[in-house]
Amino acid sequence: EPEVTQTPSHQVTQMGQEVILRCVPISNHLYFYWYRQILGQKVEFLVSFYNNEISEKSEIFDDQFSVERPDGSNFTLKIRSTKLEDSAMYFCASSDGAGGQETQYFGPGTRLLVL
Amino acid sequence: GDSVTQMEGPVTLSEEAFLTINCTYTATGYPSLFWYVQYPGEGLQLLLKATKADDKGSNKGFEATYRKETTSFHLEKGSVQVSDSAVYFCALSAPYTGTYKYIFGTGTRLKVLA
Repeated sequence: EPEVTQTPSHQVTQMGQEVILRCVPISNHLYFYWYRQILGQKVEFLVSFYNNEISEKSEIFDDQFSVERPDGSNFTLKIRSTKLEDSAMYFCASSDGAGGQETQYFGPGTRLLVL
Repeated sequence: GDSVTQMEGPVTLSEEAFLTINCTYTATGYPSLFWYVQYPGEGLQLLLKATKADDKGSNKGFEATYRKETTSFHLEKGSVQVSDSAVYFCALSAPYTGTYKYIFGTGTRLKVLA
């Protein structure tokens, strides 16, 4: 069964450093998402991406964050200058539609720890 | 805005016990509702969904019914197994708000003892 994959599974970085989290969505999907979950808190939406542009972003997704689909398979989340509060599990998701009833398929997550 | 509220965990049950995990939502329209499960070390997997009132989603012995009158989508299973130990997330999608993001509850950890 097709699945969303994410790399790395764990990343430790120093505050102020740039990190890039990578995702390979399901191959025929057109909509891509990033969510995050700070330990013990809700899973929160960060950004959605369609047709090579951001379709929606949350208040969390400030200028320090960016997303890119550099080729036909990868979808990346970059944090330019990490802060301690960026420590979280980051989930990538994809769907083949976005009418509200379509299922979003999630990857296993990348656990980011900022020291 | 729209939101999801789940019962606090952890929930600890013996094998073969009946499971209910409560989920209620607040929405200005008629959202689609989902239950996701996260097994240790894995990602979020869709367990079941319902897209309109009175729909019942079911999978792997789990069921949830979309109740518009009580704005609820409680997850139930008649007889849990140790392998059901995981974190369960209730979520909604509200496209009538012009967005396709999911709004999640806080998750409920289930531990099933042999």
